[in-house]
Amino acid sequence: GENVEQHPSTLSVQEGDSAVIKCTYSDSASNYFPWYKQELGKRPQLIIDIRSNVGEKKDQRIAVTLNKTAKHFSLHITETQPEDSAVYFCAHPGGSNYKLTFGKGTLLTVNP
Amino acid sequence: SQTIHQWPATLVQPVGSPLSLECTVEGTSNPNLYWYRQAAGRGLQLLFYSVGIGQISSEVPQNLSASRPQDRQFILSSKKLLLSDSGFYLCAWSIGLVSYEQYFGPGTRLTVT
Repeated sequence: GENVEQHPSTLSVQEGDSAVIKCTYSDSASNYFPWYKQELGKRPQLIIDIRSNVGEKKDQRIAVTLNKTAKHFSLHITETQPEDSAVYFCAHPGGSNYKLTFGKGTLLTVNP
Repeated sequence: SQTIHQWPATLVQPVGSPLSLECTVEGTSNPNLYWYRQAAGRGLQLLFYSVGIGQISSEVPQNLSASRPQDRQFILSSKKLLLSDSGFYLCAWSIGLVSYEQYFGPGTRLTVT
């Protein structure tokens, strides 16, 4: 099955700094790479995704980049704010038509 | 637009008692449905998924079961709860064969005492 590894497990930054979270995947069969944000006690929410026909996608302060050769994709958050504090999960379908394999999550803390 | 509901929001149950959690989706037809469990401070563990009425795939052997009696209804059950069943249970849906985007319900926080 698909193996998704996510690093780092925790990340602490100062407000205004940038944050980068990286995921590696094993199965190249799928072209879909999403990122989810989960605030404390809440549901995970899809914040951005990319398909492998593009190498980068931006949405305001967040971006996802993809390196298919190296089999990794990253979430970039610029000008971090305290409300960015949450657990972030990457995911990848691998060879499945229906399932997503999630990374173990990164706890991001943005210090005011 | 699509909406996903879960109930109850919180539940405290004694060890050995039965469990029934319900998930319903509105605004779409023939969704793929998923049950995940999240232990405190941990990742998302896929328990079951369903691509149609009566079709259930189990990902992890355990004392839980799932059923899909209607197109937009997904139920998670147990005959006898264990302490290790405590956690945050999330239902999710997606559309189509290769849509992949999954959207989560608000979750049920289960504490087994």
